[in-house]
Amino acid sequence: DVQMTQSPSSLSASVGDRVTVTCRASQSIRSYLNWYQQKPGKAPKLLIYAASSLQSGVPSRFSGSGSGTDFTLTISSLQAEDFATYYCQQSYSTPLYTFGQGTKLEIK
Amino acid sequence: EVQLVESGGGLVKPGGSLRLSCAASGFTFSNAWMSWVRQAPGKGLEWVGRIKSKTDGGTTDYGAPVKGRFTISRDDSKNTLYLQMNSLKTEDTAVYYCTTVGWNGMSIWGQGTMVTVCS
Repeated sequence: DVQMTQSPSSLSASVGDRVTVTCRASQSIRSYLNWYQQKPGKAPKLLIYAASSLQSGVPSRFSGSGSGTDFTLTISSLQAEDFATYYCQQSYSTPLYTFGQGTKLEIK
Repeated sequence: EVQLVESGGGLVKPGGSLRLSCAASGFTFSNAWMSWVRQAPGKGLEWVGRIKSKTDGGTTDYGAPVKGRFTISRDDSKNTLYLQMNSLKTEDTAVYYCTTVGWNGMSIWGQGTMVTVCS
């Protein structure tokens, strides 16, 4: 089974900062990597699919990159509404749609 | 409006059963592959299982923790997805979400329904 590992598990940052979250797959998943944002008490929201494609309606300050085993989610200039937990997920080795353990982004 | 609305959650004793429903609207449900994802209190997201569209075979797949105990089904005439949960364990306690699923991720999510397994 493909394992997904995110780093860091938590991160403190300030409004306006550039932030990067990393996700590593235990084997190559080509570009079948998706990123989600989840706020407390809410359902996750798809931000990025296929490693670098921005989901409709998602602000352009979010971007994704990578292929194979190493991927990054970047927020170019943090806004107050971006403080949330972020998850990566692989959709290559289906039907096991494995998620990373999450990265909690907190206000510094 | 594109929407998924789950229902059927509640409190059940270990060993008991529960059926969750997920009503879809605003998109062509019959063409969609659907999944259930759960989230235990304070924990991360865990994929539960998936059902393909009938045109793609309608087959189901499950994660190891629920295989043999949970069953996913769909009624395209009612635009509804189901999750039948049997032999429930305390570790099945979670918020259960239904989602659309594909190579391009899980783009539509319901609001979730809470299942608590406790004696």
